[in-house]
Amino acid sequence: EVQLVESGGGLVQPGRSRRLSCAASGFVFPDYAMHWVRQAPGKGLEWVSGISWNSGRIDYADSVMGRFTVSRDNAKNSLYLQMNSLRPEDTALYYCAKDFGMVRGVILGQFEFWGQGTLVTVSS
Amino acid sequence: DIQMTQSPSSLSASVGDRVTITCQASQDITNYLNWYQQKPGKAPKLLIYDASSLETGVPSRFSGSGSGTDFTFTISSLQPEDIATYYCQQFDNLPYTFGQGTRLEI
Repeated sequence: EVQLVESGGGLVQPGRSRRLSCAASGFVFPDYAMHWVRQAPGKGLEWVSGISWNSGRIDYADSVMGRFTVSRDNAKNSLYLQMNSLRPEDTALYYCAKDFGMVRGVILGQFEFWGQGTLVTVSS
Repeated sequence: DIQMTQSPSSLSASVGDRVTITCQASQDITNYLNWYQQKPGKAPKLLIYDASSLETGVPSRFSGSGSGTDFTFTISSLQPEDIATYYCQQFDNLPYTFGQGTRLEI
């Protein structure tokens, strides 16, 4: 059974940093692209970032470009999101999601499995 | 960015009803469209991929159709457990974008 467990959320002041983690199990994590998708309270879904299986391709939404950095450690079956210069509008539930693509294939941008999310609140 | 517009934003229906949600893309996305179900307090779940393919394990009362800019999501016979918000999502171009969601109530 695929499991994605996010952690690292919490209350953070504007301008500060936070690092989110996603622990994966139930599939061969090193073989698949991964994503971060967020959802502001009571709002819709917004794709944040994606990373290929080998970190050779990384994409970001314009809203986080230059502030957020996605990375992965395939030896630890883990995905990360380093969030710097946080703003109140970054307040959201952050989900990690497995891409629907082929083994060691290109990023498709389809979100096959999702974690339960970790809440980041940016407020003074 | 490709804008995805869902209609309606909310919908009330009865058990056994046929329910249809539409999604319009601001440009041609071929069939690069997915549908997700999000139940209250839960993570989204992929139901339909590539506009019309049913994800493994998803009941056959769910279906999708369309191509280009106009897409349709249908529940053939609404069940109580289908209460959720449904989202379309395009993956033709970066950034991947979602519709605003359709909240389905019974």
